[in-house]
Amino acid sequence: DGGITQSPKYLFRKEGQNVTLSCEQNLNHDAMYWYRQDPGQGLRLIYYSQIVNDFQKGDIAEGYSVSREKKESFPLTVTSAQKNPTAFYLCASSIGRDRAEAFFGQGTRLTVV
Amino acid sequence: QKEVEQDPGPLSVPEGAIVSLNCTYSNSAFQYFMWYRQYSRKGPELLMYTYSSGNKEDGRFTAQVDKSSKYISLFIRDSQPSDSATYLCAMSARDDKIIFGKGTRLHILP
Repeated sequence: DGGITQSPKYLFRKEGQNVTLSCEQNLNHDAMYWYRQDPGQGLRLIYYSQIVNDFQKGDIAEGYSVSREKKESFPLTVTSAQKNPTAFYLCASSIGRDRAEAFFGQGTRLTVV
Repeated sequence: QKEVEQDPGPLSVPEGAIVSLNCTYSNSAFQYFMWYRQYSRKGPELLMYTYSSGNKEDGRFTAQVDKSSKYISLFIRDSQPSDSATYLCAMSARDDKIIFGKGTRLHILP
């Protein structure tokens, strides 16, 4: 089945620890995105990548890092510098170029205690 | 002014009614417009995708884009309780990031 896989679905970490969220797609899409969703805030863009080995900061990149070494994978690291890391994290991908519609994974709910 | 504005609701309508959801935007470079449906604790699901202005219909759903007014709409006909969800509009310029509205919570009352 083609799609976007985020893992794990639920993640718990202690404050001060870095944590990496996985996002893999087998849709052969060029573009990939990470969004954060908090209650009442909608989707806020953290980072996006339009091509392998390149990525750009979104609106709330502070305290996060990403890599795009392979077309299929776009992992997000939540660092200890992120002040309020507890949230629902969503990864998406799109064909890119003239096709902008994005398809989402099922999300990872991160809880930092 | 935010790039994309969307009324958060909640919007409650009786089953069978026509639902109208709307977004306004400020960036005239946007040319790709999308509507997503999101159930609680799930990833958003793409409902409609429109390029530039005009209408697009898919089953009970119709998307409209009016670029002159910077206004987009989603209509749901014969609404069902299963349509109860949060609806997100999204838009993008060519080769650029996708910007989302905050979402409208919709409740269809049986």
